[in-house]
Amino acid sequence: ETGVTQTPRHLVMGMTNKKSLKCEQHLGHNAMYWYKQSAKKPLELMFVYSLEERVENNSVPSRFSPECPNSSHLFLHLHTLQPEDSALYLCASSQDWGGGYEQYFGPGTRLTVT
Amino acid sequence: AQSVTQPDIHITVSEGASLELRCNYSYGATPYLFWYVQSPGQGLQLLLKYFSGDTLVQGIKGFEAEFKRSQSSFNLRKPSVHWSDAAEYFCAVVPTNFGNEKLTFGTGTRLTIIP
Repeated sequence: ETGVTQTPRHLVMGMTNKKSLKCEQHLGHNAMYWYKQSAKKPLELMFVYSLEERVENNSVPSRFSPECPNSSHLFLHLHTLQPEDSALYLCASSQDWGGGYEQYFGPGTRLTVT
Repeated sequence: AQSVTQPDIHITVSEGASLELRCNYSYGATPYLFWYVQSPGQGLQLLLKYFSGDTLVQGIKGFEAEFKRSQSSFNLRKPSVHWSDAAEYFCAVVPTNFGNEKLTFGTGTRLTIIP
């Protein structure tokens, strides 16, 4: 595997379910990110981890819970989601946290909440 | 409010024609500037970036962008598009004031190529 991988690629869940999205980066980077991409809206930064510590939390509802057990893995735990949470969730990584570092994106998980 | 604007939601060009995608930003100082491309079913890929120096930046896949401070613009160009360039293009900026490192994206421009 190379680059940034995300699983699953597609997920359909009911509002009462609990599920997790997984991201893995094979680039040796220190920073990882979760973004939400909704139709006709700019990408929204949700969370940033640098060296496994959360450095950004963009007023995201508590039904989204991130976890970064090590610098290569990032999870997004989902529970009691709403239909408006349906979107493409993108994971990214960069060498370090900071505006000058290129971010490498995974292919995303297409989430549908029913 | 600080923002990134891509005024064209959708552009259609013929294969072989030239292309220019517009991007304007509103920040107090010159930010770091980026263009990303997203092909269907894929994540975003960096095409090029501008931090300082020469205002004409060359990127991958034959793309270039020009930073114009007076117009707060960073337009993306390609002299001759290929069918494989059909994708969504995002302009993004990072303010250069310390402590605000977030990459802020525009809403994107979808590019369609016709034969």
